[in-house]
This record gives sequence, structure tokens and C-alpha cells, in this order.
Amino acid sequence: DGGITQSPKYLFRKEGQNVTLSCEQNLNHDAMYWYRQDPGQGLRLIYYSQIVNDFQKGDIAEGYSVSREKKESFPLTVTSAQKNPTAFYLCASSIGLLRSSGNTIYFGEGSWLTVV
Amino acid sequence: DAKTTQPPSMDCAEGRAANLPCNHSTISGNEYVYWYRQIHSQGPQYIIHGLKNNETNEMASLIITEDRKSSTLILPHATLRDTAVYYCIVRVGGSGTYKYIFGTGTRLKVLA
Repeated sequence: DGGITQSPKYLFRKEGQNVTLSCEQNLNHDAMYWYRQDPGQGLRLIYYSQIVNDFQKGDIAEGYSVSREKKESFPLTVTSAQKNPTAFYLCASSIGLLRSSGNTIYFGEGSWLTVV
Repeated sequence: DAKTTQPPSMDCAEGRAANLPCNHSTISGNEYVYWYRQIHSQGPQYIIHGLKNNETNEMASLIITEDRKSSTLILPHATLRDTAVYYCIVRVGGSGTYKYIFGTGTRLKVLA
């Protein structure tokens, strides 16, 4: 089945450690996104990428990094510079904007990151 | 960036229509309005989207005002499984760079 796979579902991080969240899609989508969600809050955009080897900062990019070496993959690294990383992280993708004007964004099932 | 404003919470009786409003007064002419819902600790699920005309699918109807400053999502016969947070979002950007802006959503509770 086509979709977006995030892993791991649950991740624990020690203070000062970097961790990487995986996001893979087999939808042949050009655009991919990372959002952060804190309990009881809405989604905030961290980074997004419209094409391979290119990405832009969202609203809360500080303390995070991404790469887009392959169309299917958009991993997110939560660095030690992120002071409050405990949150629910959502990866999403959509057909490239140049191919459709009413693109729908599809989400993975999310990853829970907890700092211990 | 275009922003959306939604009431934080709503209740609806089971079997009745749920009407969820959204204000997007700064939306530009070519920006679509999307609706998603999220059940606790899951990824948001797509419901419907539209540009100018009203839209209907198997899940819901979307009514967009003529001036496009607001819209209403209608769940015609709400069930307990429709209890979720509903997000009205717009896609903003241009010149090859687009992003989807989420607000805080409306927490809909369907009551038995």
C-alpha cells in the first residue's frame, strides 16, 4: 500500500544527544514536510522540502536539521540545541506544486519523542 | 501568511449535522482551503478541500462564502467516531515554495 512511514513510533533521548526521526514515502510525491505538535496544541511547521536536495525552514526550525538526498526520504534530526524537544512529530508529503494546484497533504502516523 | 481562525471547541448531538466554521479573511485568490481532522495521537486525516465553489464528498460538505473570507465544514450526520480535532488550513506561498499553515483547530465532541 502507498503511504508515509515514520519510525520509530516512540523514542527516548537523553539530554545532549542528537536523534534522527525517519520519514519514508512511496507516493512519488515531490514535497515533504515536518511538523511538531505539543500536547493540546496545533501543528507547527519545522522544515519543508519541495524537491530533492532543497529544503526551507518553517516557523520553528531552530534546533532541528533535515536532509533530502532522495525523493522518498526526509529524515529529521533533533539536535542538542533544541531545548524542549519532547513532542509529537509528524511527517507529511504532497504532490509537487507544479503538477497540481489543489494538492492534498498526506500525513504519517507520527513519532513521539521524549527527553529523559 | 494567510491565517485561519476557528472556535476552540464545539459539541454536537449524535445524528445531527455538525457545522464547523473557519475564518480565513486574509486568504488570497488562488489559495485553497483544506480541512483535516485528527484523532488523538494519530496523523491528521484529509477530509475535503476547495477554492471557490462548494464541495461535497462522502465524508463532508464544504461551504465557502462568495468573498472567500470564511468557510464551513458540514458533517451531515455526526457519529461518535467523528469526535476529533478539526483543522482548517490554507496553503500559502508562491514562486515554487509552498507550505501548509495549521491553526489550533476545533475540538468537536459528538454526544450520544
